Amino acid sequence: KAGVTQTPRYLIKTRGQQVTLSCSPISGHRSVSWYQQTPGQGLQFLFEYFSETQRNKGNFPGRFSGRQFSNSRSEMNVSTLELGDSALYLCASSVDHYEQYFGPGTRLTVT
Amino acid sequence: KNQVEQSPQSLIILEGKNCTLQCNYTVSPFSNLRWYKQDTGRGPVSLTIMTFSENTKSNGRYTATLDADTKQSSLHITASQLSDSASYICVVSAGGNNDMRFGAGTRLTVKP
Repeated sequence: KAGVTQTPRYLIKTRGQQVTLSCSPISGHRSVSWYQQTPGQGLQFLFEYFSETQRNKGNFPGRFSGRQFSNSRSEMNVSTLELGDSALYLCASSVDHYEQYFGPGTRLTVT
Repeated sequence: KNQVEQSPQSLIILEGKNCTLQCNYTVSPFSNLRWYKQDTGRGPVSLTIMTFSENTKSNGRYTATLDADTKQSSLHITASQLSDSASYICVVSAGGNNDMRFGAGTRLTVKP
């Protein structure tokens, strides 16, 4: 069974731009969660989508948004990028949010 | 204050030695506790998941323990290998919505 895939793997953007990251979950998994990981803050939960609906949301500003499609693929969007948004963005899929399988992440650098 | 505290922050051991990583939490109500291994530049990989009623769970050379009364967990690694060099993250889920709280991780380096 193929694992969780994330695209792109690396991205460099400029302050003020917006970015969209993509996550393809393991086949059959309907839950997709997004996390931000930085050296200073560690892993932080962004949001979770289940069957195209946002089920849980972390404590991030409205510049961070996401969506899930009918095939369970998910996208995360960050608008008006700030330097502090530089991080590894991880996506995890699961059947029911219990046993989560993480993707390799997208390394976003904001300059 | 973080609701999940891990210690030590970093650890260096020799190949073949055992080590124990600690996780203390204040998350309530407790749902489950997970240990993840994260290699540099990769996503975390689940090692164990424990619910309230479980106090020990093993995955190969990794053994996790949970004391729900004292709100402490440990991850014991036996006969360490170079490939064990990674960050180990403790994650505690709270309540019915599985609100997850993450520890800052312990960075383990195994040297030959």
